[in-house]
Amino acid sequence: ETGVTQTPRHLVMGMTNKKSLKCEQHLGHNAMYWYKQSAKKPLELMFVYSLEERVENNSVPSRFSPECPNSSHLFLHLHTLQPEDSALYLCASSLTGTSSGANVLTFGAGSRLTVL
Amino acid sequence: GQNIDQPTEMTATEGAIVQINCTYQTSGFNGLFWYQQHAGEAPTFLSYNVLDGLEEKGRFSSFLSRSKGYSYLLLKELQMKDSASYLCAVRDGDYKLSFGAGTTVTVRA
Repeated sequence: ETGVTQTPRHLVMGMTNKKSLKCEQHLGHNAMYWYKQSAKKPLELMFVYSLEERVENNSVPSRFSPECPNSSHLFLHLHTLQPEDSALYLCASSLTGTSSGANVLTFGAGSRLTVL
Repeated sequence: GQNIDQPTEMTATEGAIVQINCTYQTSGFNGLFWYQQHAGEAPTFLSYNVLDGLEEKGRFSSFLSRSKGYSYLLLKELQMKDSASYLCAVRDGDYKLSFGAGTTVTVRA
């Protein structure tokens, strides 16, 4: 248990479905991240929220829609996905600011998404 | 763009030493990180270098040369539980952490 909890751990959906991934952190961090991890590829940064404000949107298709209602919760809403979107989606959190040192990311275990 | 290279796979014997190299070309530099990821689990933080030199933490050490765009992670006294993927990552700016594709280390008895 890393202090970052992701649900569901596994999700299978059709291309016309709408679903959401949830992330919750209990570490008192003020920044949250969504990364995509595909087999044999580097982790790809998707979105960053700092103090509940989106500060990074890494050219992600609009079928992925993030939401950060407070500093402890982060969602990724999924709509009309493609089979190539099948991957492990990792949430992370960190403490940012001048006193936070290395700004180490703490990751959740991920949500394994399969799009049929 | 960001370019972070590390070997795809390495195999070593229990009790041995393995060195995983990482080279990077990034638009900015604000620290280099190593993470360990076991299959089906979250990546976990191992080490952080922002200045040149060696950082030692028990059986694991990490080295950085900023002028050469080069880092390595050294794993000593290998144990079976060290079989995992090791991810090199570079931060440019405040938030963006760019990762290499990871090196899968297999420890054999």
